[in-house]
Amino acid sequence: EPEVTQTPSHQVTQMGQEVILRCVPISNHLYFYWYRQILGQKVEFLVSFYNNEISEKSEIFDDQFSVERPDGSNFTLKIRSTKLEDSAMYFCASVRTTLRSEAFFGQGTRLTVV
Amino acid sequence: DQQVKQNSPSLSVQEGRISILNCDYTNSMFDYFLWYKKYPAEGPTFLISISSIKDKNEDGRFTVFLNKSAKHLSLHIVPSQPGDSAVYFCAASGHGSSNTGKLIFGQGTTLQVKP
Repeated sequence: EPEVTQTPSHQVTQMGQEVILRCVPISNHLYFYWYRQILGQKVEFLVSFYNNEISEKSEIFDDQFSVERPDGSNFTLKIRSTKLEDSAMYFCASVRTTLRSEAFFGQGTRLTVV
Repeated sequence: DQQVKQNSPSLSVQEGRISILNCDYTNSMFDYFLWYKKYPAEGPTFLISISSIKDKNEDGRFTVFLNKSAKHLSLHIVPSQPGDSAVYFCAASGHGSSNTGKLIFGQGTTLQVKP
């Protein structure tokens, strides 16, 4: 069964460093998302991406965040200068179409900023 | 801004009995609702969904009911099994013409099914 894969599974970084979280969405999907879950809190939407551009972003997704799909298969989330409060599980998701289609999630990357 | 709420943080049921998980929403623009199951250190796994044009959708042991007038949905699991023990998230989507497919999640309900 096709699945969304994320690497690394766990990333530890020092505050102020840049991190790149990687995702390989399901191959015939068209819409891509990043979500995060801070420990003990709900899963929060960060950004949606379609046709090589951001279609929507949340208030959390400020100038420190960026996304790209550099080679047609990988989908990356970059945090330029990490803060302690960026520590969370980050989930990538993909959807075949937006109209009443379920999102498939990766297993997540646990980001720990120290 | 809690557009999707799951007011019960936890639920414990006996194996073989029915589990009922509840979810309320406030945004009348939502037109598609989903339930996800999540184990620790894993991503959410899709369980079942329902469109706003329906009031019930069934898939095996899982049934989702939607009451649009009350802005309420529920997930019924019958019979419950110990392997169903996990965190269950309700999610909603659909924001009219600007729909990008983003999901708004509830806080989750931890279900424990006791053998």
